Amino acid sequence: NAGVMQNPRHLVRRRGQEARLRCSPMKGHSHVYWYRQLPEEGLKFMVYLQKENIIDESGMPKERFSAEFPKEGPSILRIQQVVRGDSAAYFCASNSDRGYTEAFFGQGTRLTVV
Amino acid sequence: GDSVTQMEGPVTLSEEAFLTINCTYTATGYPSLFWYVQYPGEGLQLLLKATKADDKGSNKGFEATYRKETTSFHLEKGSVQVSDSAVYFCALRPLSSTLGRLYFGRGTQLTVWP
Repeated sequence: NAGVMQNPRHLVRRRGQEARLRCSPMKGHSHVYWYRQLPEEGLKFMVYLQKENIIDESGMPKERFSAEFPKEGPSILRIQQVVRGDSAAYFCASNSDRGYTEAFFGQGTRLTVV
Repeated sequence: GDSVTQMEGPVTLSEEAFLTINCTYTATGYPSLFWYVQYPGEGLQLLLKATKADDKGSNKGFEATYRKETTSFHLEKGSVQVSDSAVYFCALRPLSSTLGRLYFGRGTQLTVWP
């Protein structure tokens, strides 16, 4: 049973480009959470999705960031017109029920904006 | 609001030394409490958890006891090894939340020397 899969592991983008980060949850998991880890900080919640629905996006920046979890395929975190401050590690987690089981984390995508 | 305050790092110890990493929390009701570990270049792995007051979580020689009276969940290990070198995160999941969203501390870097 594969764990939470994130790709790419490392992503370099120039300022103004778009970044797309992918997350495939564990098999049987329908809840996905995205977190951002800035240098020297803990993880901060960004968004919680179920299939085809955004449940809680209270941690998402108001502009340039969006997330989706389509019926088929991985969850995507999209950052438009990236800036240097977007450089961080982005982690995805999944679980199988609404908070009553532990969340399993992927290995993260390390985004560097140059 | 819900939050976690974690002992500032870095912590440097010699092999076989005793480890304590302090964690206190603010939350209403009885949240679930977690310790996650992040090895270099990896994602977060659940180390241990406790879901109600006075529960003790334990794994790989690490222990933490859920203390409601002091709102604490300190991580301890009697004899650390070089392989324990990692970043440790304390986290909580509010009972009132059905969303499975975690609140993390800032993390504590542990380095163990042989």
